[in-house]
Amino acid sequence: EPEVTQTPSHQVTQMGQEVILRCVPISNHLYFYWYRQILGQKVEFLVSFYNNEISEKSEIFDDQFSVERPDGSNFTLKIRSTKLEDSAMYFCASSDGQGEADTQYFGPGTRLTVL
Amino acid sequence: AQSVTQLGSHVSVSEGALVLLRCNYSSSVPPYLFWYVQYPNQGLQLLLKYTSAATLVKGINGFEAEFKKSETSFHLTKPSAHMSDAAEYFCAVTNSGYSTLTFGKGTMLLVSP
Repeated sequence: EPEVTQTPSHQVTQMGQEVILRCVPISNHLYFYWYRQILGQKVEFLVSFYNNEISEKSEIFDDQFSVERPDGSNFTLKIRSTKLEDSAMYFCASSDGQGEADTQYFGPGTRLTVL
Repeated sequence: AQSVTQLGSHVSVSEGALVLLRCNYSSSVPPYLFWYVQYPNQGLQLLLKYTSAATLVKGINGFEAEFKKSETSFHLTKPSAHMSDAAEYFCAVTNSGYSTLTFGKGTMLLVSP
């Protein structure tokens, strides 16, 4: 069964450093998402991406964040200058945009630790 | 704005007992509702979703949920718990078919022999 994959599974970085989290969505999907979950808190939406542009973003997704689909398979989240409060589990998701309330399929997540 | 409240961060049941995980939502428009499950070190897996057809929705692994508009609830149930059901369960809502999901805080289900 096709699945969303994410790399790395764990990332440790120093405050102020740039990180890139990588995702490979399911191959025929058209909509891509990033969510994050700070330890002990809710899963929160960051950004959605469709047709090579951001379609929606939350207030969390400030200028420090960017997303890109550099080729036909990868979908990346970049944090330019990490802060301690960026430590969280980051989930990528994708959906095919078919049917009513199409299903978002999630990857296993990348745990980001900012020291 | 939409929101989800999951009552109980942890629910403990014995194997074979009824599982009931509670979810209440708030939405200004008719919602689409989802339950996801997360096993350790894995991603979020869809259990079931409510779109607008039947109010009783059946999902994978014997789980089902009933949409009750009057109570703004979408509780998840399973008649008989299995050890393999131990995981974290998330309720989520969206008010548009292709929009972002708003999640609850999650409920950890613990199953004892």
